[in-house]
Amino acid sequence: SYVLTQPPSVSVAPGKTARITCGGNNIGSKSVHWYQQKPGQAPVLVIYYDSDRPSGIPERFSGSNSGNTATLTISRVEAGDEADYYCQVWDSSSDPRVVFGGGTKLTVL
Amino acid sequence: QITLKESGPTLVKPTQTLTLTCTFSGFSLSTSGVGVGWIRQPPGKALEWLALIYWDDDKRYSPSLKSRLTITKDTSKNQVVLTMTNMDPVDTATYYCAHNPRSPKGVTYFDYWGQGTLVTVSS
Repeated sequence: SYVLTQPPSVSVAPGKTARITCGGNNIGSKSVHWYQQKPGQAPVLVIYYDSDRPSGIPERFSGSNSGNTATLTISRVEAGDEADYYCQVWDSSSDPRVVFGGGTKLTVL
Repeated sequence: QITLKESGPTLVKPTQTLTLTCTFSGFSLSTSGVGVGWIRQPPGKALEWLALIYWDDDKRYSPSLKSRLTITKDTSKNQVVLTMTNMDPVDTATYYCAHNPRSPKGVTYFDYWGQGTLVTVSS
């Protein structure tokens, strides 16, 4: 089965850039989607189709995807960005499925 | 405006069957390309996808839970129902339903989520 690997945690100072990676075999051939989840809340889509932003998501959020790694980049990090972030793909194998990464806790120092 | 809301029991006993209903508004599950999925999250753990149903009644299940899951839709009521048999304490989690926007089936993602419902499995 297809596995997405994320670092458990990333820390960044306010105003700096945070990069959260999502590793998977040839993930560059798939569309990657990213979700932000704050404590006690439902996930929110922040990036879809690798790099598209839903309306209402700040331009500070961007995404890229190539080779075996997809990356969510958050520029000019704010305290309010502290959350768990999950990547997600559709694995179109013989038994198609939605796959989520294990999540990354972003801490704003 | 798209909204989804999960409903069902908050407490189930081991071996019982869980039935959850997702009631939605703002879209129709008869629109080509649209789907509704179920995702769960045990306390303090990661998201886990469970099942998905498309506008054309095509269904997909998590391979690891396939034998225990059934997803159905009632387009006239704007509802999607998930049943999970033989519940166990490890199934304790917040269960979410979510909207899959019009997109090719090979590019499934979720742009609107319900608030989630916590289901505890305990005797």
